[in-house]
Amino acid sequence: DQQVKQNSPSLSVQEGRISILNCDYTNSMFDYFLWYKKYPAEGPTFLISISSIKDKNEDGRFTVFLNKSAKHLSLHIVPSQPGDSAVYFCAASDGGGGTSYGKLTFGQGTILTVHP
Amino acid sequence: GAGVSQSPSNKVTEKGKDVELRCDPISGHTALYWYRQSLGQGLEFLIYFQGNSAPDKSGLPSDRFSAERTGGSVSTLTIQRTQQEDSAVYLCASSLYVDPAPFFGPGTRLTVL
Repeated sequence: DQQVKQNSPSLSVQEGRISILNCDYTNSMFDYFLWYKKYPAEGPTFLISISSIKDKNEDGRFTVFLNKSAKHLSLHIVPSQPGDSAVYFCAASDGGGGTSYGKLTFGQGTILTVHP
Repeated sequence: GAGVSQSPSNKVTEKGKDVELRCDPISGHTALYWYRQSLGQGLEFLIYFQGNSAPDKSGLPSDRFSAERTGGSVSTLTIQRTQQEDSAVYLCASSLYVDPAPFFGPGTRLTVL
């Protein structure tokens, strides 16, 4: 039972254009959502997050949108740069009942390639 | 060091052998997590430590897997009688207690032949 799904294994975008990565979830108890970025042979690095009380959070070139009714979130990168090429993981948390905030459920990841 | 460190970076073992994977979290981080990533899959939660105790072990796949944490710092994940399906990248992460975005180490790639 995959509670967090990233249905696109890969995405290819031209430099300067927008990258949109999508994520769907099924567990209505999730109240915090995160995006991590991972380069080969490195651990995932936190990118941006959003609480379920918001529908948008922006940080520089990165914006995350949350649609709770559709149980869908997306990450927008504008403009995309070649250095953004990496695997992007969507993750969700239900706060572990207030005991394990960092217990995350991850999607399978989307490989983003930004071409110069 | 400034980040989470893990050792070894790579481990090749034979089926049936025991392995120990080590994690050094960021200093001062009381929460520590182990995850694993199998080929083509997302990260899968294994166990959570708060200090030296493990209130959530729900992700450990079998009783061959165990973990401990000492001194509120270093953690060791032990896999006994390794099987080929244990082959994966094992990632450790740490955070402050209420931080929902843990910092990950580079992982240990385990290959069971």
